Amino acid sequence: DIQMTQSPSTLSASVGDRVTITCRASQSISSWLAWYQQKPGKAPKLLIHKASSLESGVPSRFSGSGSGTDFTLTISSLQPDDFATYFCQQYESFPLTFGGGTKVEIK
Amino acid sequence: EVQLLESGGGLVQPGGSLRLSCAASEFTFSRYAMSWVRQAPGKGLEWVSVVTGSGGSTHYADSVKGRFTISRDNSKNTLYLQMNSLIADDTAVYHCAKALTPASDDAFDIWGQGTKVTVSS
Repeated sequence: DIQMTQSPSTLSASVGDRVTITCRASQSISSWLAWYQQKPGKAPKLLIHKASSLESGVPSRFSGSGSGTDFTLTISSLQPDDFATYFCQQYESFPLTFGGGTKVEIK
Repeated sequence: EVQLLESGGGLVQPGGSLRLSCAASEFTFSRYAMSWVRQAPGKGLEWVSVVTGSGGSTHYADSVKGRFTISRDNSKNTLYLQMNSLIADDTAVYHCAKALTPASDDAFDIWGQGTKVTVSS
């Protein structure tokens, strides 16, 4: 199975900050990586697929990069609506696996 | 609006069974693979199972293989998850999720709000 490791697990930041979350795969997944945002009690929301493709309707302050084993989600200027938990997911092979999540908190 | 609506969750004793349903609307259901993804209380996301658009191929996480069965009825635009021999570790909110493309190994662009399953005596 491909293990997905996210860091940090928690991140404290202020509105306007540039935020970077990292996801590392235990083996190469090419660009088969997605990023999701989840708020308490809600379903996850797709932000990025194929490592860097922005899902329709997602603000352009979100961006993704990387390939192979190392990936990054960047929020260029954190907004109040962005305080949430973020998950990465690989879909290179079964079983599909998720990272442990990164909670972005208000500083 | 594209929508997924789960139902069928509840409280069940260890060793019991439960059948979850997921009703889809406003997209060509039969064209897309569909998955179940669960989230234990306070934990992360765990993919459970996927079925292709035709229903002809399925995959399962090792943690549920042999106990859970995924299926779909394209005439009813509905996805199912039959869960047998339930254990405490199956306690979670179960989401159904639509694949972004017709591929079965894919990201998920539409998620249901989830149905809660609690396994306890």
